[in-house]
Amino acid sequence: DSGVTQTPKHLITATGQRVTLRCSPRSGDLSVYWYQQSLDQGLQFLIQYYNGEERAKGNILERFSAQQFPDLHSELNLSSLELGDSALYFCASSINRESNTGELFFGEGSRLTVL
Amino acid sequence: QKEVEQDPGPLSVPEGAIVSLNCTYSNSAFQYFMWYRQYSRKGPELLMYTYSSGNKEDGRFTAQVDKSSKYISLFIRDSQPSDSATYLCAKINDYKLSFGAGTTVTVRA
Repeated sequence: DSGVTQTPKHLITATGQRVTLRCSPRSGDLSVYWYQQSLDQGLQFLIQYYNGEERAKGNILERFSAQQFPDLHSELNLSSLELGDSALYFCASSINRESNTGELFFGEGSRLTVL
Repeated sequence: QKEVEQDPGPLSVPEGAIVSLNCTYSNSAFQYFMWYRQYSRKGPELLMYTYSSGNKEDGRFTAQVDKSSKYISLFIRDSQPSDSATYLCAKINDYKLSFGAGTTVTVRA
């Protein structure tokens, strides 16, 4: 158990809808990262927050947004969903602002299916 | 071109065999390299990291970096069925962690 909690574990929705994925980092970790994993694209970095502030941005679509709250949990909002957004969405956390050693602790993911 | 290229496999070996996994990278500025392991229906977990050329050993696992050829390797000795997983190489650039596609390994009992 990594200590990172993600909800929901599974989500099925329709195209055009909006969903929110939730992540609670490990106790004491200040950084939260969101990744998308699909069969054709692998594990893609979306966005990082550190202590409530956006720290780094990756290949995140404009239809997607995220935030980190004062209690350090984070939410990833996906809107105007398309079939291609079906994927596993992982949250990871680390204590530091910068991932110098690359050690991130991943949750078990939220599997999103868009029909 | 992806920053880290990895053959997705799959790779199937008998128990006890040596598993050899490889990645190549394109940016010479990379200094930190990692291997993550991901079991089915689980999130990735850090297996090993290294920030220099040469070998690093941890039990049955050896990570190797060859900066002259921009090659990253992971060797698993005396492989066990419990080693069956997807192995992802990763690198840090601008403090962002980027992953290869992952190689799925099955160790047959």
